[in-house]
Amino acid sequence: NAGVMQNPRHLVRRRGQEARLRCSPMKGHSHVYWYRQLPEEGLKFMVYLQKENIIDESGMPKERFSAEFPKEGPSILRIQQVVRGDSAAYFCASSPPGGGRTEAFFGQGTRLTVV
Amino acid sequence: AQRVTQPEKLLSVFKGAPVELKCNYSYSGSPELFWYVQYSRQRLQLLLRHISRESIKGFTADLNKGETSFHLKKPFAQEEDSAMYYCALRPTDSWGKLQFGAGTQVVVTP
Repeated sequence: NAGVMQNPRHLVRRRGQEARLRCSPMKGHSHVYWYRQLPEEGLKFMVYLQKENIIDESGMPKERFSAEFPKEGPSILRIQQVVRGDSAAYFCASSPPGGGRTEAFFGQGTRLTVV
Repeated sequence: AQRVTQPEKLLSVFKGAPVELKCNYSYSGSPELFWYVQYSRQRLQLLLRHISRESIKGFTADLNKGETSFHLKKPFAQEEDSAMYYCALRPTDSWGKLQFGAGTQVVVTP
């Protein structure tokens, strides 16, 4: 089991472009979580998804950010019209059925730089 | 509102010395508390959870509800303990969400 895989590891986007971050959960895991880490800060919860459902998006900015976890394929965090303030490390975690009550395993993160 | 505070950004200790990483939280209910560790160039991984009351790699952490603290301790630090440590809280009304502290960088020098 390769663990939670995130790609790309590093992503550079110009202001106004779109950023797509991918997360493939561990085999058998049906729950995915996205976190954002700004410089000098801890990880901040963004969104919790189950296959084809958003369970909790209370940490997602109201505009430009969206997330999905389709029936097939990886979870995608999409940031439209990126701005400098979106520069951060984005971490994905996954957990097995049982969801939030079980241990979440983290990916290595995607470092987004907006220039 | 829930909050996790790790007052020390950096903790430098000598090998063999005791190390204690402070974590205080605010939450109105009875949360689950965790310590996560991130070694250099590796992913974040779970070190301890308060409900299991285990000792992992020589580390222990006791939940003190009176002081709302969950400090991480190890009596004799090793060089391989050098890493970033994050305290995290999981509220019981929102199982999928972890609230992290800002982290403490531990450097163990020989």
